[in-house]
Formats: sequence, structure tokens, C-alpha cells
Amino acid sequence: QSALTQPASVSGSPGQSITISCTGTSSDVGSYNLVSWYQQHPGKAPKLMIYEGSKRPSGVSNRFSGSKSGNTASLTISGLQAEDEADYYCCSYAGSSTDVVFGGGTKLTVL
Amino acid sequence: QVQLQESGPGLVKPSGTLSLTCAVSGGSISSSNWWSWVRQPPGKGLEWIGEIYHSGSTNYNPSLKSRVTISVDKSKNQFSLKLSSVTAADTAVYYCARDVRGYDSLRFDPWGQGTLVTVSS
Repeated sequence: QSALTQPASVSGSPGQSITISCTGTSSDVGSYNLVSWYQQHPGKAPKLMIYEGSKRPSGVSNRFSGSKSGNTASLTISGLQAEDEADYYCCSYAGSSTDVVFGGGTKLTVL
Repeated sequence: QVQLQESGPGLVKPSGTLSLTCAVSGGSISSSNWWSWVRQPPGKGLEWIGEIYHSGSTNYNPSLKSRVTISVDKSKNQFSLKLSSVTAADTAVYYCARDVRGYDSLRFDPWGQGTLVTVSS
């Protein structure tokens, strides 16, 4: 069982917006602004999409955005495109004893 | 830009030791970054294994700590993973990644392509 809870799947049509939630606790997501999000296409390595809650690495589309409220972080993808279909994982710092925790992953289907 | 490449045996016998190496190119392993191992069992999610700094300082996932050793070889610009007493549950794709970490920062970027390790007799 993953430390962070994500929905198993979400879907949307091209052009629409979707949001993936990532629920933790006051020991991880709620205590640190250190949530990152990763996109993983089948058979490929994860790719960093969002870090420190809402920052985008160079080269990542501004259609991807991140936010946090309390113990829940969210990834929003606007203007859905077929290439966005992938698995998405959230990750958070969880303090010095546990260090890093991942979510169980969410499969995004573009209808 | 920094690139990482995992290497090692793809098959390990139960109760044996899994050994992998991650070669870093395009940058120095002695830069101000940590270096991590992450694994992904087939069809499942990501699990952080542990990390190392070029000084040799390490942090491990508490659930794996008793079986994990991560080391660094600055002369070869690479770091390594050893996981002992493996079982079928350790079958996974193993990734290495640069771990950009600071007081107000934590992110894994970039990642290696990953290598599948199967535990089977």
C-alpha cells in the first residue's frame, strides 16, 4: 500500500482539463512544499513534470500545473492531448525518518 | 546534460544479492546532488530505495534498510546498489536518478532508462 493516495484512473476528452489528486498526511504533503509529479509512458522511465508543488521544469508544457491544499496535492492538465495519456505519480518528502514516499499512480486515458 | 545508465545482471537467484551500477555522464557525480535508486515491480508503482551523496553519506527507505547498501565510486563517476537476501518480491525495474535535494527542494531528474531484474531460480 502506497503512502500517498491517488485515484487509480482518470479520463478526459481532447481539449478538456483533468485533475489528479494526491492525498497524504500532515507528516508529508501537509508539512512540506516538496511534492513532485512524474509522467510515465509504457515501458519508459518517469519524467519530472512538476516540482516543489507548482514549479515546471524547462521544456514542460504550461498545460501542466500543480497546487496543494492541506494534505492534498493536485496535478491539473489543461487542453488534454493524446500524448498526455500515461501514468502519473506524485511524490513527497516525508521527514527525516521516512524520507521519500510515492503515490500509487494514476492512469490517465484520453478518450 | 546529465544522463544516467543502469547496468547489471538481469537474473538473480532467491536469497542472493542483487547488484546494479549507475554510470553518470555529462556531469560530475561530485556535484551538489544526491543520487537515488527507485524501483517499480511489474504493473505496480514506484518505490524509493535510497540515496547517496558523493561524500558517501546515505539515506535508505526504512522498509529496505536492513538489506540495502548504496556506494559511490567517484573515480568512475558511478554509484551502485546492493540488495541482499532477495525474493521474488524484489523483481522489478530498477531506476537510478539524480536526486536534487535541499532544504526547500526535492525532485528526481533525470532518470536512467531502467533495468529489469528478475529474482528466480
